[in-house]
Amino acid sequence: LAKTTQPISMDSYEGQEVNITCSHNNIATNDYITWYQQFPSQGPRFIIQGYKTKVTNEVASLFIPADRKSSTLSLPRVSLSDTAVYYCLVGSNTGGFKTIFGAGTRLFVKA
Amino acid sequence: KAGVTQTPRYLIKTRGQQVTLSCSPISGHRSVSWYQQTPGQGLQFLFEYFSETQRNKGNFPGRFSGRQFSNSRSEMNVSTLELGDSALYLCASSLDGQGGLNTEAFFGQGTRLTVV
Repeated sequence: LAKTTQPISMDSYEGQEVNITCSHNNIATNDYITWYQQFPSQGPRFIIQGYKTKVTNEVASLFIPADRKSSTLSLPRVSLSDTAVYYCLVGSNTGGFKTIFGAGTRLFVKA
Repeated sequence: KAGVTQTPRYLIKTRGQQVTLSCSPISGHRSVSWYQQTPGQGLQFLFEYFSETQRNKGNFPGRFSGRQFSNSRSEMNVSTLELGDSALYLCASSLDGQGGLNTEAFFGQGTRLTVV
């Protein structure tokens, strides 16, 4: 049973900022929040990971409130190539990567 | 550095046959996880190997098995194939997170298995 809830799909236009929110009410103290991106017939690709507050890298930002029961992935100025499925994962790979994937959010970017 | 390599990329098998898939992790990574992805069930965890030992296991029947070699390369085997085993099989390699350090997992391109 997935520990996360995220929208099934989202539409956006090129150049817009996209925010995808994930709920994880039962997050454990040791759990990290990680987002992956997957294109058709490819393996998921790591985007960003955080534990609390805000994390930013060259492709995205991750906002985590103090209670850590949700998180928001922010993609600035999306392009057509950002059309993919985005997975929010909650867990710790201490002891092995065995995280349960949810259904993910299918993002469709339009011109 | 080289990424995770899975072979073969595509495979067609007949019901009842068995199949072996291979995964070479990133150099230095000792943990290899396997996932099955189907349109209906999404990404499902099969098992994880570390230092040649199965350390974690998902909820799959015994027809699905795996092993890991001393060089961390891993294979998974599916015996008595069923039509429902048609899927994209993905492996992921990672450093073993220790002391609170949580590292990312790197996925291969996958092996597309079709059972006819």
